[in-house]
Amino acid sequence: EAQVTQNPRYLITVTGKKLTVTCSQNMNHEYMSWYRQDPGLGLRQIYYSMNVEVTDKGDVPEGYKVSRKEKRNFPLILESPSPNQTSLYFCASCAASGRRTSTDTQYFGPGTRLTVL
Amino acid sequence: AQSVAQPEDQVNVAEGNPLTVKCTYSVSGNPYLFWYVQYPNRGLQFLLKYITGDNLVKGSYGFEAEFNKSQTSFHLKKPSALVSDSALYFCAVRDMGGTYKYIFGTGTRLKVLA
Repeated sequence: EAQVTQNPRYLITVTGKKLTVTCSQNMNHEYMSWYRQDPGLGLRQIYYSMNVEVTDKGDVPEGYKVSRKEKRNFPLILESPSPNQTSLYFCASCAASGRRTSTDTQYFGPGTRLTVL
Repeated sequence: AQSVAQPEDQVNVAEGNPLTVKCTYSVSGNPYLFWYVQYPNRGLQFLLKYITGDNLVKGSYGFEAEFNKSQTSFHLKKPSALVSDSALYFCAVRDMGGTYKYIFGTGTRLKVLA
């Protein structure tokens, strides 16, 4: 089954304690992205990656890091989480535009609800 | 800068009536436009997209959207609403300036009343 998985689904942590949220896709997609969803603000893109070892900032990258060492994985790292990073996080992937099979359609993971105390 | 606006936080409609969820955009160049739906406690699901071609785009679950270049709008429509259509709807645009950035609207909660 084609899917994007995220772990953990729920996480409560304290300020300053480094954490990683994993994201994996099994569709061989080149493009992967992280979003955060906050009430009244919709989804805002944090980082995206167009392929292995290629990452770029979205609209709200401050306080986050990412890496893309393998095509299927795109972890989100919070080196020193703060309460303003409490949010619902989504990972997404899609095939790169330009390929004949590209759809530009993003497939989203189920979300990770993070609370930073 | 590219942007997407969803002017209504919530739309209420009676079951069986037509529904419209509004979206306007601001982009440089030709837009790639999308609608996604989010059901409670779920990730987002793709509904439909406009890349080029026919201004009326048909998507999943009987939804359609009309691209209007002069009004820079991409409103989501359905001829007859179902209670099961109640969800949070997001309009999105892809940056066509050589990046893969996506900009999402703030979302519109659709409530279909039985």
